Amino acid sequence: QQQVKQSPQSLIVQKGGISIINCAYENTAFDYFPWYQQFPGKGPALLIAIRPDVSEKKEGRFTISFNKSAKQFSLHIMDSQPGDSATYFCAASTEAAGNKLTFGGGTRVLVKP
Amino acid sequence: DAGVTQSPTHLIKTRGQQVTLRCSPKSGHDTVSWYQQALGQGPQFIFQYYEEEERQRGNFPDRFSGHQFPNYSSELNVNALLLGDSALYLCASSLWGSPLHFGNGTRLTVT
Repeated sequence: QQQVKQSPQSLIVQKGGISIINCAYENTAFDYFPWYQQFPGKGPALLIAIRPDVSEKKEGRFTISFNKSAKQFSLHIMDSQPGDSATYFCAASTEAAGNKLTFGGGTRVLVKP
Repeated sequence: DAGVTQSPTHLIKTRGQQVTLRCSPKSGHDTVSWYQQALGQGPQFIFQYYEEEERQRGNFPDRFSGHQFPNYSSELNVNALLLGDSALYLCASSLWGSPLHFGNGTRLTVT
């Protein structure tokens, strides 16, 4: 059972553009929503995370928007750079589950110069 | 400060064999989790160790087992390997309940 659905599977954006990745979840008990960035040959690295008590969180060029009623959250990458080309994963967990993350299927982002 | 280290980086095994993967957590971390990442997919949770005990387990068969040592390092063992076990195996460490730090994984190929 895929509890976190991620879209699109891939996207291409011009340098300076905005990349938008969306995720939807089913389990209403989820209360922690991180985003990970993964480069080829490397493990995932935590980018930014949000909890459902806020609707938006911004760190540098990365912003998470969260819609609790719709059970959706999204990652916006502003002023996309070629170095942002990577695979991005959304994930979710419950406080009770500690570090047990349920990941989305991933989005491969290519930023063209 | 060393992050999460995994060994070996690559491994080729034959169907039916057994394999052991190793993980050293980031300094100061006491919890180790293992994930399986098939090609082109998101990581899937295998299990988590804290205080040398398996605390949580995902939907993986008993062929997958693990261990955590007193120095917090961990091993993942897979018995009776199947072709479908070919994947990148990721180890992640943390303090209990804190964000995960992933290693670069072990690429397992089963032929």
